Amino acid sequence: NAGVMQNPRHLVRRRGQEARLRCSPMKGHSHVYWYRQLPEEGLKFMVYLQKENIIDESGMPKERFSAEFPKEGPSILRIQQVVRGDSAAYFCASSPVGAGDTQYFGPGTRLTVL
Amino acid sequence: AQSVTQPDIHITVSEGASLELRCNYSYGATPYLFWYVQSPGQGLQLLLKYFSGDTLVQGIKGFEAEFKRSQSSFNLRKPSVHWSDAAEYFCAVGGFYNQGGKLIFGQGTELSVKP
Repeated sequence: NAGVMQNPRHLVRRRGQEARLRCSPMKGHSHVYWYRQLPEEGLKFMVYLQKENIIDESGMPKERFSAEFPKEGPSILRIQQVVRGDSAAYFCASSPVGAGDTQYFGPGTRLTVL
Repeated sequence: AQSVTQPDIHITVSEGASLELRCNYSYGATPYLFWYVQSPGQGLQLLLKYFSGDTLVQGIKGFEAEFKRSQSSFNLRKPSVHWSDAAEYFCAVGGFYNQGGKLIFGQGTELSVKP
């Protein structure tokens, strides 16, 4: 059973460009979570999605950030007009059930904004 | 608001020595508790978890953790550390009522192992 897949692993963008981060959950998992890890910090929750639904986006910045988990295909975290402060590692996790279940993490996407 | 504190940012132990990493949480009820390990440039691997029942939990790689309700703590222990245990360790809590499945992480403890 393949684990959580994230791509790209490394992404470099210039200020003002768009970043698209993709996450394929483990087989059989319909719950996806996105977390951001800033340098020298722990992981901070961003958003929780089920197929075609955003369940909790309380950790998402109000502007420029959006997430989706379509019926078919991977979950996408989209950052518009990136700024240097968006440079971080973005981790996706998935679980078979929702609240309380174990979350399995992907290897992360390391975003660098020049 | 819920929070997790890992008081030790960096710990160095000698190979073969015992290890204890501290974790304290703030939440009105008993949360679900997790320990994850992260090697440099890698994702997080689950070491162990506590949902209910026996307060001493066994995990992978010889790790264990004990939930102490009275102290709001979930400390991670290992009796004999190996050089390959050098990594960053994160305590996390979840299972918050009406807040979906999000996890709240501590700041992490970086473990170095001396030969």
